Amino acid sequence: DGGITQSPKYLFRKEGQNVTLSCEQNLNHDAMYWYRQDPGQGLRLIYYSQIVNDFQKGDIAEGYSVSREKKESFPLTVTSAQKNPTAFYLCASSETGTMTTGELFFGEGSRLTVL
Amino acid sequence: QKEVEQNSGPLSVPEGAIASLNCTYSDRGSQSFFWYRQYSGKSPELIMFIYSNGDKEDGRFTAQLNKASQYVSLLIRDSQPSDSATYLCASPNQAGTALIFGKGTTLSVSS
Repeated sequence: DGGITQSPKYLFRKEGQNVTLSCEQNLNHDAMYWYRQDPGQGLRLIYYSQIVNDFQKGDIAEGYSVSREKKESFPLTVTSAQKNPTAFYLCASSETGTMTTGELFFGEGSRLTVL
Repeated sequence: QKEVEQNSGPLSVPEGAIASLNCTYSDRGSQSFFWYRQYSGKSPELIMFIYSNGDKEDGRFTAQLNKASQYVSLLIRDSQPSDSATYLCASPNQAGTALIFGKGTTLSVSS
C-alpha cells in the first residue's frame, strides 16, 4: 500500500535535547512538507521541499532543521532552540510542488511532548 | 502574507440538518481552495477542492466560492454524527508551492 509513514507516533523529550522525526513516502511524490499543529490551531508550515537536495522555510522554521537527501525521505529535527516544541507534527507529500490544483497526503502524525 | 480565516466554533447542529462552514481569505488573487476534514487525534483528509466561482457538489458536500466577497463555504447536507470533526480550509501560498491553512472549525452533530 502506498502512503506516508511517520515515526515515532509518540515521543517524549527532555528540555535541551534535539529530536528527529522520521517521514518516509512510497508514493513517488516530488514534494514533501512538515506542518505543526497546536490545540485550537490550524496547521502551520515549518519546511517544505519540492525536489531532492532543496528545501524552503515555511512560516515557523526557527528552531527546526530538515534534509532531503532522498526523494522518499524528509526528516525533521526539532532542536533545543525551539522554545515551545510540544505539538502534533504532520508530514505530507504532493505529487508535484504546484498546489494550485494539488492535493496533500498526510502521514498519521507524531506527537512530541517536552518534559 | 496570505491569510485564511475561519471561525473556530464549535458549530453544533442536530442530525439531519445542514451544516454551513465558512472561510474568508485575504488575497483577492487566490484561485483555489481545499476543505480538509480532521477527526480528533488523526491527520487531515481532503474532502473537497474548488477552483472556479460558484458551487461544486460531491454527495452530501457542496463547496461554494465567492471571489467578489472573498469567502468560500462548505455545506454538509443531512449531517450525521460521523461528520463531527474539525474542518480546515486551505489555499496555496503566494508562490503556489504549499498550502496555507485556517485554524479550522469544529463541527458537532448530535443524534
